[in-house]
Amino acid sequence: QQQVKQSPQSLIVQKGGISIINCAYENTAFDYFPWYQQFPGKGPALLIAIRPDVSEKKEGRFTISFNKSAKQFSLHIMDSQPGDSATYFCAVLPGFGGYNKLIFGAGTRLAVHP
Amino acid sequence: GAGVSQSPRYKVAKRGQDVALRCDPISGHVSLFWYQQALGQGPEFLTYFQNEAQLDKSGLPSDRFFAERPEGSVSTLKIQRTQQEDSAVYLCAIKDSSGANVLTFGAGSRLTVL
Repeated sequence: QQQVKQSPQSLIVQKGGISIINCAYENTAFDYFPWYQQFPGKGPALLIAIRPDVSEKKEGRFTISFNKSAKQFSLHIMDSQPGDSATYFCAVLPGFGGYNKLIFGAGTRLAVHP
Repeated sequence: GAGVSQSPRYKVAKRGQDVALRCDPISGHVSLFWYQQALGQGPEFLTYFQNEAQLDKSGLPSDRFFAERPEGSVSTLKIQRTQQEDSAVYLCAIKDSSGANVLTFGAGSRLTVL
């Protein structure tokens, strides 16, 4: 059963535009919601993360919006740049177990055109 | 990631061959994870080590997959009698010392089974 559904699969944005990627989860026992960025040939790297006790977190051009009641969270990239072209993964972390057994979405391939 | 070195970076195996993939954390880390990333998909959890103890191997797809970390540092993922469906990138990750829930991934080992 897919616990994290990510959309869209791919996204094309013009330089300077806003990129929006969405994730929906099915289990309310998650307590940590990170976004990872992956460039070709590299491992995923943490971009930004949020806990369910806040509805929004902003770091530079990157913002997470979190809707606990709808079990959805999204990544917004403001003023998108060609260097942002990468694959983005949302993930969730169960609030039990005591270790970082992250569950990832299928990914969104973002292309920012100059 | 800077904290994890993986080798080989690329491995081509004939169906039925055994392969061994190595993960070498640069500095000592208690927690070590293996993930499998199929083409166009997000990483999926395979197994977790705390020091030399393998505390969770629930994600290993079959008994052909075996992981070890005998001295609590370097870890090896072994796949016996490889099948075409084993073709994927195998990612090693460590729990980052700077943040409670941050995983730092290596660049991965890309396995292609012909």
